[in-house]
Amino acid sequence: DGGITQSPKYLFRKEGQNVTLSCEQNLNHDAMYWYRQDPGQGLRLIYYSQIVNDFQKGDIAEGYSVSREKKESFPLTVTSAQKNPTAFYLCASTKEREKLFFGSGTQLSVL
Amino acid sequence: GQNIDQPTEMTATEGAIVQINCTYQTSGFNGLFWYQQHAGEAPTFLSYNVLDGLEEKGRFSSFLSRSKGYSYLLLKELQMKDSASYLCAVRDVGGNTPLVFGKGTRLSVIA
Repeated sequence: DGGITQSPKYLFRKEGQNVTLSCEQNLNHDAMYWYRQDPGQGLRLIYYSQIVNDFQKGDIAEGYSVSREKKESFPLTVTSAQKNPTAFYLCASTKEREKLFFGSGTQLSVL
Repeated sequence: GQNIDQPTEMTATEGAIVQINCTYQTSGFNGLFWYQQHAGEAPTFLSYNVLDGLEEKGRFSSFLSRSKGYSYLLLKELQMKDSASYLCAVRDVGGNTPLVFGKGTRLSVIA
């Protein structure tokens, strides 16, 4: 079955540490997205990529980095510059003009 | 700029009907989506409107008025499992333009 796989489901970050969240899709979708969700809040866009080797900043890109070396993969790195990283992170993908398909999410917490 | 408003919380009784409203102001419009999200899980797609009018899908219906920047999601024959957050999202013009999400409406279904 096609879908989007996010890992890990839970992740803990120490002070000053960079961590990477994985997102892989086998839906043959061109576009991929990373959203952040805080308790009681909607989804806020961090980064998105519409094609391999290209990506754009979303509304809250500071303290995050991404890469898109393969169509299937869009990993997100939460750097030490992100001072408030605790949140639920959702990866999504889509074909043109279609609905978003979401991964199951990664809950990131700070130790 | 883009702004999407929906009520923060709603409560309804099992078996009843509930209407969740969404108003939006966006620079462009290329469709409105409704998603359901249970706590700690990924959003799941409910409906999509790009033309004015009502789209019905089982117990769920969604309405759109582009001239008023207004949509609603109607849930009939409420069940306890419908307790969740409901997210309204708008797509701007462009094929894979990221969705902009409202903050979501947390619906509690009580016996």
